[in-house]
Amino acid sequence: LAKTTQPISMDSYEGQEVNITCSHNNIATNDYITWYQQFPSQGPRFIIQGYKTKVTNEVASLFIPADRKSSTLSLPRVSLSDTAVYYCLVGDPSSGTYKYIFGTGTRLKVLA
Amino acid sequence: DAMVIQNPRYQVTQFGKPVTLSCSQTLNHNVMYWYQQKSSQAPKLLFHYYDKDFNNEADTPDNFQSRRPNTSFCFLDIRSPGLGDAAMYLCATSHDGTGTFEAFFGQGTRLTVV
Repeated sequence: LAKTTQPISMDSYEGQEVNITCSHNNIATNDYITWYQQFPSQGPRFIIQGYKTKVTNEVASLFIPADRKSSTLSLPRVSLSDTAVYYCLVGDPSSGTYKYIFGTGTRLKVLA
Repeated sequence: DAMVIQNPRYQVTQFGKPVTLSCSQTLNHNVMYWYQQKSSQAPKLLFHYYDKDFNNEADTPDNFQSRRPNTSFCFLDIRSPGLGDAAMYLCATSHDGTGTFEAFFGQGTRLTVV
């Protein structure tokens, strides 16, 4: 399983764009990159998934360079309610033996 | 509408007294997972079921067991809880073969050992 490395924590202010980068140097050909969000005392929640280039949904954008050794989660105009831990996961979802292994995550704190 | 339901949300048990946590799902997913999450740490996978096939993580203590009597339900049994087992226990489901990488998590059960 590809190991991921993220910053431990980040602070931002309301209304700013936040970019969280994840490093996954040994990503495999069939691996996808997925991000989860976790609020205190709740289970993680799927945010976005991508394989290459750029993916955007109503919540976030995911940027993946051509070599796929890193990815960046972009949260536009964050609010206080975006304060959470964000996890980057890498793996092959088509694999029958797939397991969701969480790295350390990035603790985002949004300030007023 | 709840899709992965964990009961109870909070559980207090005595040191050494067996305890069972339950998880049910309305998604008809074939894979179910149990995670342990201690304060300020990432969720740690304990084991998962692929249909009826049980897959234990190598570092999961023998004190932790699981049962999956049918597709919808999965149980986590802690045979002799120690103080170090106090944590949030998360159940999750996913469906193999969809090509998406989305696991659905329950709200968790916070276990306190006294």
